[in-house]
Amino acid sequence: NAGVTQTPKFRVLKTGQSMTLLCAQDMNHEYMYWYRQDPGMGLRLIHYSVGEGTTAKGEVPDGYNVSRLKKQNFLLGLESAAPSQTSVYFCASSYTSGANTGELFFGEGSRLTVL
Amino acid sequence: AQSVTQLDSHVSVSEGTPVLLRCNYSSSYSPSLFWYVQHPNKGLQLLLKYTSAATLVKGINGFEAEFKKSETSFHLTKPSAHMSDAAEYFCVVSDQSTGFQKLVFGTGTRLLVSP
Repeated sequence: NAGVTQTPKFRVLKTGQSMTLLCAQDMNHEYMYWYRQDPGMGLRLIHYSVGEGTTAKGEVPDGYNVSRLKKQNFLLGLESAAPSQTSVYFCASSYTSGANTGELFFGEGSRLTVL
Repeated sequence: AQSVTQLDSHVSVSEGTPVLLRCNYSSSYSPSLFWYVQHPNKGLQLLLKYTSAATLVKGINGFEAEFKKSETSFHLTKPSAHMSDAAEYFCVVSDQSTGFQKLVFGTGTRLLVSP
């Protein structure tokens, strides 16, 4: 039972390069989320999706794009990476949207360094 | 606006002694409160959640937390620490009427357990 799988787990980029992080979940969840985790700041929501073909902005969306072409996959793209995007990125999914009725399931994270 | 404050960035205990991780919250509405645990190089996992039912909430691995509205606190406790409890712990708040996209994460408390 894989749960939420993120690829790649590590990546080093140069400023201005582009890349895509892939998140895949095998739990048939409708809702998927991308967070970034920075030291001393907790997790912040970048983008999220409430279903296949839909995406929405979270707290810190600038510099990122997302796509949800298939229910099980949620892609996070960086078109022109900047050092400020050095972070650990977490994907999560949930069956319901309500925080009081559901649970978030997280991937193991993708550590991105932008030089 | 909602917020959480985790009062300690690091807590050190000896194996077999009690654990107390402190969390204060601010919320304009009836909150839902959560504790998540993150073991090294792993994603976050839900420990327990409060959603306006019983104020004393029991979670996995012997952890529990008590919702105290008068003190706006949701401290996490465990009677006896185990080496495997060493991890980072996040207190999280949301408004009961909103979804996961409105979660607010604390900055985390790293629990160190010594033999």
